[in-house]
Amino acid sequence: DIQMTQSPSSLSASVGDRVTITCQASQDISNSLNWYQQKPGEAPKLLIYDGSNLETGVPSRFSGSGSGTHFTFTINSLQAEDVATYYCQKYYNFAITFGQGTRLEIK
Amino acid sequence: EVQLVQSAAEIKKPGESLKISCKASGYNFTTQWIAWVRQMPGKGLEWMGIIYPDDSDTKYSPSFQGHVSISVDTSISTAFLQWNSLKVSDSAMYYCARPKLGIDWYFPFWGRGTLVTVSS
Repeated sequence: DIQMTQSPSSLSASVGDRVTITCQASQDISNSLNWYQQKPGEAPKLLIYDGSNLETGVPSRFSGSGSGTHFTFTINSLQAEDVATYYCQKYYNFAITFGQGTRLEIK
Repeated sequence: EVQLVQSAAEIKKPGESLKISCKASGYNFTTQWIAWVRQMPGKGLEWMGIIYPDDSDTKYSPSFQGHVSISVDTSISTAFLQWNSLKVSDSAMYYCARPKLGIDWYFPFWGRGTLVTVSS
């Protein structure tokens, strides 16, 4: 079973900062890695799919990169409305795993 | 427009059975997978399983295999998540979700969730 390790578990940043979250897979998963945003009381929202593709309608300050076992999610110029928990999710070999989540707060 | 409408919140007692639903519309229900995701209070997302409605091919997470059952009724475009004997630890929000297309299992489509509370 492929494990996903997401870090950090929480972070605090200022409006305008660049924020980076990483997700590490225990085995090569090619580019089968997606990123979601979840705000309190809401369902998750897909932001990035297949490692680096921006979902339709998602602001361009969100981006993803990586392949194989190491993936990075970046928010350029953090906005107040970006306060949320972010999750990576892999799909590989007919199995899905979510990362543990990263809670993002504004300083 | 793709819509996934989930059944209302449930309050049950330990040992009771439960079946919650996810009604799909806006697309051909039989040709797209539907997944179930658990979120315990204050915790992260956990994939439970996924089903292909056309032939009911189902993949379960090892963590949930044998504890829940996923099924569909194609005549009403609805997916189900079922428990035979609930535990207090089954208290959680349960989401259904649909991938964009085929076996590329990233999920732009989500239901609003069904809150299940199990308490004596």
